[in-house]
Amino acid sequence: DADVTQTPRNRITKTGKRIMLECSQTKGHDRMYWYRQDPGLGLRLIYYSFDVKDINKGEISDGYSVSRQAQAKFSLSLESAIPNQTALYFCATSDRDREEQFFGPGTRLTVL
Amino acid sequence: AQSVTQLDSQVPVFEEAPVELRCNYSSSVSVYLFWYVQYPNQGLQLLLKYLSGSTLVESINGFEAEFNKSQTSFHLRKPSVHISDTAEYFCAVSAPGSGGYQKVTFGTGTKLQVIP
Repeated sequence: DADVTQTPRNRITKTGKRIMLECSQTKGHDRMYWYRQDPGLGLRLIYYSFDVKDINKGEISDGYSVSRQAQAKFSLSLESAIPNQTALYFCATSDRDREEQFFGPGTRLTVL
Repeated sequence: AQSVTQLDSQVPVFEEAPVELRCNYSSSVSVYLFWYVQYPNQGLQLLLKYLSGSTLVESINGFEAEFNKSQTSFHLRKPSVHISDTAEYFCAVSAPGSGGYQKVTFGTGTKLQVIP
């Protein structure tokens, strides 16, 4: 089984709809991250969490919110989706004592 | 503020030829450096990393990268590429941010296309 899972893998929605993307991990890591990937822009950090009670905004948090329900679960919400939020979204985890991040398979979101 | 530059968005190369993917960074403090690879329809996975010690680091599938502090570079090389190396490669830099957070910044990626 994959260490970092994301659901759904693909989603098409309409402008104004509320969307939740979910991430679960079995690696036992404290730290979790949400990124979006756009062609030519690389990965940009939306939110990150160091533990259940520690959530921080990244560089592009406007229009997004998150919830850390447990050490293993970190959800990303788009309260009112807009077309420029069409992107590939990745969840990642890391251990506090290691530097590399472990990525989920991604969620392709299309907002019409 | 830290930044990462990958000047080449796409690099086509014939199979069994050598390749170099360039990465330059800027930071006012000591950094950790990473290369991640993204195969089609997959997430990123770590290829290799430099934390300290030897400036030449290697991956298990024949890639290597050399940390050059004076040139602020961490170029990725492979002497002979295979079709299976076709993927997008991301350079990343990690440096201390505010509040003790080790901030990671990713480059914009380089698509390596290996031509049969």
